[in-house]
Amino acid sequence: QVQLQESGPGLVKPSETLSLTCTVSGDSISSYYWTWIRQPAGKGLEWIGRTYSSGSTNYNPSLKSRVTMSVDTSKNQFSLKVTSVTAADTAVYYCARAPYSSSWSAFDIWGQGTMVTVSS
Amino acid sequence: QSVLTQPPSVSATPGQKVTISCSGSSSNIGNNYVSWYQQLPGTAPKLLIYDSNKRPSGIPDRFSGSKSGTSATLGITGLQTGDEADYYCGAWDSSLSAVVFGGGTKLTVL
Repeated sequence: QVQLQESGPGLVKPSETLSLTCTVSGDSISSYYWTWIRQPAGKGLEWIGRTYSSGSTNYNPSLKSRVTMSVDTSKNQFSLKVTSVTAADTAVYYCARAPYSSSWSAFDIWGQGTMVTVSS
Repeated sequence: QSVLTQPPSVSATPGQKVTISCSGSSSNIGNNYVSWYQQLPGTAPKLLIYDSNKRPSGIPDRFSGSKSGTSATLGITGLQTGDEADYYCGAWDSSLSAVVFGGGTKLTVL
């Protein structure tokens, strides 16, 4: 079955860059949109953005100036970079698959999530 | 504040039916499909409803979704203690060009 796995540092210093990778197994990354979502402890979900294998991206306007997403089809992975992080970027980060062309808010497969803490 | 508005909490007893509302605007719910998620403690969200009223494979028909105007509703019948979780609605917002979520609703099954 399709599985997603996030990986990356769990601790990032303020003002530095947060970098995460999501490895897709059981499916081709070329077939769908792939997205990043984060959730601060005890709070709700925040959509960060999405990317397609063609390189097309859409970012949350609130994060757009600091976010970059990309796809590596050879490794079946997609990645997230958030620059100039602050404590407000501390959250569990999820990667997810968006398979429905009709419903861009529907994410059917999720990674388990990875906790990223921004602290010196 | 979240773009979509959900009640912070709802409660019901086992076997009963509960509904969770999600209110938005013409730029999101009014003109785009709604999705619903269940998040059990310590786990990733799970898709319950997409295209406002469709269930992915494996989701029991105890879960249903509907939409009217700029509001959507998730219904759960035959409540079980295992349904205790946080529930989120989501939709594409055409003005923001972004996915927006509700703040989440905590369901307690008494």
